[in-house]
Amino acid sequence: QQPVQSPQAVILREGEDAVINCSSSKALYSVHWYRQKHGEAPVFLMILLKGGEQKGHDKISASFNEKKQQSSLYLTASQLSYSGTYFCGTEQGGGADGLTFGKGTHLIIQP
Amino acid sequence: DTAVSQTPKYLVTQMGNDKSIKCEQNLGHDTMYWYKQDSKKFLKIMFSYNNKELIINETVPNRFSPKSPDKAHLNLHINSLELGDSAVYFCASSQGRGGKYFGPGTRLTVT
Repeated sequence: QQPVQSPQAVILREGEDAVINCSSSKALYSVHWYRQKHGEAPVFLMILLKGGEQKGHDKISASFNEKKQQSSLYLTASQLSYSGTYFCGTEQGGGADGLTFGKGTHLIIQP
Repeated sequence: DTAVSQTPKYLVTQMGNDKSIKCEQNLGHDTMYWYKQDSKKFLKIMFSYNNKELIINETVPNRFSPKSPDKAHLNLHINSLELGDSAVYFCASSQGRGGKYFGPGTRLTVT
């Protein structure tokens, strides 16, 4: 089942912070986050496994609340290069059957 | 060196034709995937494959068939192309259920 992402779109000024949320109605094994720029392939940012962890990647971090089956991506002091569409992808239990992606959050960073 | 490569980058063909897209990864990953991204940017898993099993998304028409000559290659063959098959097709790979690394995509246009 497709995870739900919110918001659908965000417009920020450079230096502002943003939070993107991803929630599922099913128990999850993992949550992945990707960024896709126009005309390019999705790029892997990070993976969070069940167990409720938080990860960081430069000024981008994420958390996974296993109880609520929710993950959030935090972008701190956003840079122009952060612009793009952010997708969360989820995996449930079982084998390596690929990710189910949300519909994406379109992030625009203005100077 | 490109980690995940696909050919061709663009493919324009007529309805009813049969076509193939090739994918190669040099990351040493054990699992490969095909994803379809439609005009609304929705990313959908089509197949996942490792040397042990092929998992097919049940919504994929049987006109689509993955073929893996070896661990580093996963090709996609499409029979009797239809207008609705127009999309961007991404190949991806991962080590087990880790982060997915995407190829540059193949934009398929069926006329």
